[in-house]
Amino acid sequence: SQQGEEDPQALSIQEGENATMNCSYKTSINNLQWYRQNSGRGLVHLILIRSNEREKHSGRLRVTLDTSKKSSSLLITASRAADTASYFCASMEYGNKLVFGAGTILRVKS
Amino acid sequence: DTGVSQNPRHKITKRGQNVTFRCDPISEHNRLYWYRQTLGQGPEFLTYFQNEAQLEKSRLLSDRFSAERPKGSFSTLEIQRTEQGDSAMYLCASSGDGANEQFFGPGTRLTVL
Repeated sequence: SQQGEEDPQALSIQEGENATMNCSYKTSINNLQWYRQNSGRGLVHLILIRSNEREKHSGRLRVTLDTSKKSSSLLITASRAADTASYFCASMEYGNKLVFGAGTILRVKS
Repeated sequence: DTGVSQNPRHKITKRGQNVTFRCDPISEHNRLYWYRQTLGQGPEFLTYFQNEAQLEKSRLLSDRFSAERPKGSFSTLEIQRTEQGDSAMYLCASSGDGANEQFFGPGTRLTVL
């Protein structure tokens, strides 16, 4: 498989708590992106971090990238029930295709 | 801008039949991608167009699969002689020139009986 790996596979937290998801990828990358997928809205782009960046913030999202370890993490702070979804990291190699991980299923309980 | 649209949303077919899916990208986007997603997995890249040119194809795209983008606008993905293993969600995405973010359509769910 070309896909990277994500952990945990599933995460269940209470509303207001933080959620952290980790991702590993296999090749040199141009950038790494995180997407959210739920049945209502399909795959939606959340945030992009370039290979020369180490950390990026967007609202309640914080992404880190460690190219030496070929890994990334996504932190969602102050989670809400509406954050319940599957989260995927996707690495973009020096081309245009995205290589997705297997995803983390996040459940936020209210 | 109505986003990326895909038709049909669901397709049930019998093994051995041919199926064709359509994707309409965001109008100003010249890049179009097809991915396949099976249950519990992330999407897997199938193929990519820049305008009407098909620039990359995955090894997943067997000779039963063909994709076209004849005028650089909408695209079709055809699967010939469908097999049960073809059952999946087929996702289309588009992006603008120089942009890395891809905008995904709702997908076409294919069930091969």
